[in-house]
Amino acid sequence: DAKTTQPNSMESNEEEPVHLPCNHSTISGTDYIHWYRQLPSQGPEYVIHGLTSNVNNRMASLAIAEDRKSSTLILHRATLRDAAVYYCILSNFGNEKLTFGTGTRLTIIP
Amino acid sequence: DVKVTQSSRYLVKRTGEKVFLECVQDMDHENMFWYRQDPGLGLRLIYFSYDVKMKEKGDIPEGYSVSREKKERFSLILESASTNQTSMYLCASRTAHNTEAFFGQGTRLTVV
Repeated sequence: DAKTTQPNSMESNEEEPVHLPCNHSTISGTDYIHWYRQLPSQGPEYVIHGLTSNVNNRMASLAIAEDRKSSTLILHRATLRDAAVYYCILSNFGNEKLTFGTGTRLTIIP
Repeated sequence: DVKVTQSSRYLVKRTGEKVFLECVQDMDHENMFWYRQDPGLGLRLIYFSYDVKMKEKGDIPEGYSVSREKKERFSLILESASTNQTSMYLCASRTAHNTEAFFGQGTRLTVV
C-alpha cells in the first residue's frame, strides 16, 4: 500500500494562510488523495479529495504536484477553529481500506 | 443530515467480558470501518466491511471480530475484553474509494 508522510506538527498565525504538506512518493496512478481533520474530542471529518487536478471547496484547497508525489492542503485564512489534526490518506479502487497515519497537529496562534 | 451513529459514547466493562460496539449508518453506504485511537498512535484500522457479510482485516485485528448482517449496521466484538483494549473506538462509512467517509462520534471504552 502506498504510504504518506506528514510533519508531526505545525503552527500558524490566525487569519494567515496555512500550507500543510504531504509526501506520497509511491502513489499509483489510480490513488485518490484524501484529507481529513479531527477537531478535539470529535471524530474525523472530511476536508477535500482529488486525483490529478487541484481542487477547491468551501473549506480548503488541494494542490497536487504534477508528478503526484506530493500534495498540499491550503487553508486560506486560518481561524482558531481550524486547530486540529490533519490527515492525508491515499485510497484506491480495489483497495477500499481507509488507512490513517498520525497526521499533522496544527496549532493556530491568536 | 447524514449520520453515523455509535450506540454508546462511554462504556465501562470488566476484563473477560464480551463487548459489543454497534455502529449504524443511514446513507446506504457499502463500506464500513472500525478504528481505535490511542494517544500518539493516530487512528488504526481494526476491520472493515465492503458488503453485507463481507469483511477484511485491518492493521490490528487481533482480539477483535466483526459482524455485518445488514447493510446499515456494523458491529465490533471484543470476545474477551482486556485492559489493553481500553481506547477510543471510531466507526466510519463511505460509498467507495473516491468518496468522502463519515465518522461517528466515537465510543470511549474502559476495561477494568
